[in-house]
Amino acid sequence: QSVLTQPPSVSAAPGQKVTISCSGSSSNIGNNYVSWYQQLPGTAPKLLIYDNNKRPSGIPDRFSGSKSGTSATLGITGLLTGDEADYFCGTWDSSLSAAVFGGGTKLTVL
Amino acid sequence: QLQLQESGPGLVRPSETLSLTCTVSGDSVSSSSYYWGWLRQPPGKELEWIGSIHYSGSTHYNPSLKSRVTISGDRSKKQFSLNLSSLTAADTAVYYCARSTASADFDSWGQGTLVTVSS
Repeated sequence: QSVLTQPPSVSAAPGQKVTISCSGSSSNIGNNYVSWYQQLPGTAPKLLIYDNNKRPSGIPDRFSGSKSGTSATLGITGLLTGDEADYFCGTWDSSLSAAVFGGGTKLTVL
Repeated sequence: QLQLQESGPGLVRPSETLSLTCTVSGDSVSSSSYYWGWLRQPPGKELEWIGSIHYSGSTHYNPSLKSRVTISGDRSKKQFSLNLSSLTAADTAVYYCARSTASADFDSWGQGTLVTVSS
């Protein structure tokens, strides 16, 4: 069972908006920065969001991140079929002294 | 542009030790701003952090794997390596090397290499 909890799947139509949640605890999300990754089939993960809400160079502003308490949220607007992928959250867990990740959420763009 | 590339065997026998190397190009492994880590993802399962090394030589390992893991670095070759001992079928996974900050956000990844543990 994952330290960080994500919904297994979400779906939305092209052009719409979707949010993906990531729930943790005070030892991880509650006191550390959260990052979000996109993993297209058969490829390595790609960093989308770091430090809760910052986007690396080259990541479009359709992707956004937020954090409140022990939960974090990834938002994607203007969905494209190319956004179909697995998305997962990550952070440091101070109790485990380990980087931890969510189980991943499969996004389907209908 | 930073690039990372994993290399090593694709098939390892149970009880043996896995050795993987990550070669870095486009950046210095001696940068004090970053850590260089190993992660793995069993087929259809979630990502697991194995451990990381800083340019100073300090290492941090996942407690769940610590007894079996060694990560080392060779600045002159711009490489860092993973040794994972006492392998079982549960260690079958795609292994990635990646760069991270102190906040544990992994901003650059290798393409990954599938390692199968089987006799």
